[in-house]
Amino acid sequence: DSGVTQTPKHLITATGQRVTLRCSPRSGDLSVYWYQQSLDQGLQFLIQYYNGEERAKGNILERFSAQQFPDLHSELNLSSLELGDSALYFCASSRRQYGYTFGSGTRLTVV
Amino acid sequence: GENVGLHLPTLSVQEGDNSIINCAYSNSASDYFIWYKQESGKGPQFIIDIRSNMDKRQGQRVTVLLNKTVKHLSLQIAATQPGDSAVYFCAERKTNRDDKIIFGKGTRLHILP
Repeated sequence: DSGVTQTPKHLITATGQRVTLRCSPRSGDLSVYWYQQSLDQGLQFLIQYYNGEERAKGNILERFSAQQFPDLHSELNLSSLELGDSALYFCASSRRQYGYTFGSGTRLTVV
Repeated sequence: GENVGLHLPTLSVQEGDNSIINCAYSNSASDYFIWYKQESGKGPQFIIDIRSNMDKRQGQRVTVLLNKTVKHLSLQIAATQPGDSAVYFCAERKTNRDDKIIFGKGTRLHILP
């Protein structure tokens, strides 16, 4: 157990729908990062939050949004889902000067 | 720009031999270069990192080499074991306010019996 918890582990939904992925960071970590991993691809950075505030944005679609709550957990919202959004979504957390710790991911399948 | 990539998508190595996984990068402003291991169905797991002002760092059975002249990073795994089968990603990171990690595409390491 890495200490980073992602739920749900698997999600199957239809095109056009909206889903919410949840991440609880490791205790004491203020930063949360979201990544998307498509089949046989690397990890694409989506967005970073630090202590509730957005800090960096990557290749995140306008249909996607995220937030970090006062208790430091984060949610990634994916709307108007398309088949191409099927992927593994990883959350990672870190504290300053230390490396990332990744969760086990949420596998999203859009049918 | 930010571009961390890998030379080979798949590497097959005999069990017990040493493995060398290579990576090229283009962003010279990164502070850290990192290797991650990802096993099937799991999230990436940190293996080892190296600061940009170093050229070599050793861990347990792993060594990372950084050649800034040619912007090349490599991961050496000694005495490769079946448990080393995974996809290996090189990545880079700054340590400023925007400290996101940028990943390359990955190399799949196959261990031959």
